[in-house]
Formats: sequence, C-alpha cells, structure tokens
Amino acid sequence: DAGVTQSPTHLIKTRGQQVTLRCSPKSGHDTVSWYQQALGQGPQFIFQYYEEEERQRGNFPDRFSGHQFPNYSSELNVNALLLGDSALYLCASSFFSGANNQPQHFGDGTRLSIL
Amino acid sequence: QQPVQSPQAVILREGEDAVINCSSSKALYSVHWYRQKHGEAPVFLMILLKGGEQKGHEKISASFNEKKQQSSLYLTASQLSYSGTYFCGTEMWNSGAGSYQLTFGKGTKLSVIP
Repeated sequence: DAGVTQSPTHLIKTRGQQVTLRCSPKSGHDTVSWYQQALGQGPQFIFQYYEEEERQRGNFPDRFSGHQFPNYSSELNVNALLLGDSALYLCASSFFSGANNQPQHFGDGTRLSIL
Repeated sequence: QQPVQSPQAVILREGEDAVINCSSSKALYSVHWYRQKHGEAPVFLMILLKGGEQKGHEKISASFNEKKQQSSLYLTASQLSYSGTYFCGTEMWNSGAGSYQLTFGKGTKLSVIP
C-alpha cells in the first residue's frame, strides 16, 4: 500500500523563478493538503484540495496556487520565488471531512532552497 | 492563531513519563497530535474531538479540555523510539475563510536517552 509520495525531494531555484511540486496521495484518499515547514517550526497550512477544488486556504499570498487532478494527485505552484520561500513543503492526504477530523498522512516533503 | 506548546524541549531517561501541553486562546473544534523524527514526515498520533471522541493509537494517551481550550499528550514508560518533535494542531473556525482550519504549534522536542 503506497503512502504519500512527493517529487522532487530537493530543488534549488533562484529568486523570481517559478516552481511546481507534485504529490500523489495515499491509496484511497481523496483530499490533499499542502504545508510549508520552515526550519525549527511547525507545518503551516497553505491550502486543501478536494474534488479538484480548493476548499480551504491559509494565510499565503496568491503566488501560491495549486491544482488537483481527477486521480486525486496534486500540484503546488509558487511564482516569483522569494528567499523566504525556502522551506520543506509537505503534502498530506486524508479522507474528505469538511471539519478536518480525519488523520492526515504526510509525505516526506520537498526541500526547496532559494538562492 | 498558533497554539502554544510547552515545554519547548524535554529530555527523558528510558522508562520515565512526560506530559506535553497545547493551549489556544480561541474555541477549538479538535486537537491533532503528530510526531516528526528528524528528516522524516510527521506521523499521526491522535485526534481529539469536541464532545469527547478520540481517534488514534491505543498506546497513546491524551486529553482535551474544551472549556480551557487545552490539550495534553501523555507519554508513559518512554522508549528510545519516542524521541522526536511533537506537534499539536488546533482546529478552529476561520470566519474569514468560511471554513475550519488546522494550525500547528512550534513543537516540543523530546529526547529519550538510555
């Protein structure tokens, strides 16, 4: 039973560039959430996708956008990269619940470094 | 609003007990607990829901005081494998977003030594 898989594992970009991160949810899960985790901090919620729509969004600028495909996989896009975007980006999948009362399964993350 | 976790760090010897606390200034719908080992993904431990329902591992014990907006995670007879950073996530209604949102604390680093 495959868990949550994310790609790539590491990425180096320069300021102003754009990046796309990918996530395949755990088998049977239909909801994908994205988090940003800075060093020494807890994960910060970016947004959540269900039925190919953004259902919830945290306090992140519009430079952060996403997409969910019919097979439930998801992408996170970040435009106009800033140095402060350097972080570990985590994808988590779960069964849909409008009230977030389901366990989330996290992937190993993508480490994004901005030079 | 980010929940506050305490302590920030704790060192235990194998077999000792520990309590990790999580508090919020806002009304909570649920509290989630995860453990993250260095360089690994966070792993689900438990969800405590308003009204008393709990979902999680049998060996994990936690409490949720709805009136005080506080939760505690109890680690008994600690093992080396318990080492890691423990995060609590608090779920609150975000009126601006029109949805519930999960916000994680900064974490409690637990080190278990032989």
